[in-house]
Amino acid sequence: QVQLQESGPGLVKPSETLSLTCTVSGGSITNYYWSWLRQPPGKGLEWFGYIHSRGSPDYYPSLKSRVTISADTSKNQFSLRVNSVTAADTAVYYCARTAHHDSSGNDAFDIWGQGTMVTVSS
Amino acid sequence: DVQLTQSPSSLSASIGDRVAITCRAAQSISTYLNWYQQKPGRAPKLLIYGASTLQSGVPSRFSGSGSGTDFTLTISSLQPEDFATYYCQQSYVIPRYTFGQGTKLEIK
Repeated sequence: QVQLQESGPGLVKPSETLSLTCTVSGGSITNYYWSWLRQPPGKGLEWFGYIHSRGSPDYYPSLKSRVTISADTSKNQFSLRVNSVTAADTAVYYCARTAHHDSSGNDAFDIWGQGTMVTVSS
Repeated sequence: DVQLTQSPSSLSASIGDRVAITCRAAQSISTYLNWYQQKPGRAPKLLIYGASTLQSGVPSRFSGSGSGTDFTLTISSLQPEDFATYYCQQSYVIPRYTFGQGTKLEIK
């Protein structure tokens, strides 16, 4: 079965760049969209953006200026970079597969990584 | 962006109870609505997509209904493992996916 695993530093200094990688195992990253989401401590879920292995990434408008998502099909991985981080970027970061259901035309996050906590602090 | 409002924000119930959680969208989103369950320290788990289709492997005591702006997640008979936080999420406006604020279901 397909599994996702996030990796990257758990501590990032303010104004620096947060970088995370999601490794997909048990299946190929081709033919799906792959998303990044986050959840600040004690709060709800926020979607950042996604990428398709054969297309350009797309981002949530309010985050677009600071976020870059890329994919490496040779490694079966996709990555997230967030520039100029502040304490407000402290959160659990999740990668997730975005499945499109043809029957309903609906997109849903059907497989998730376990999440990785990133703290922004000096 | 499509704002989703869940009610109640928290709910206490007993084993065996039937419970319902609602999600209201600020505009019509047809049936582009999904439900997730999240337990403490765990990633969310997809329960229902397209407003009413049960994800593979999810127990049949979970059901979803609604269209347009009003949606409901129903658990027909609460089990101990169902105590968690539940989120709705819309995919009508893409790629501008948004989530409700969550409903915490606790043991009475």
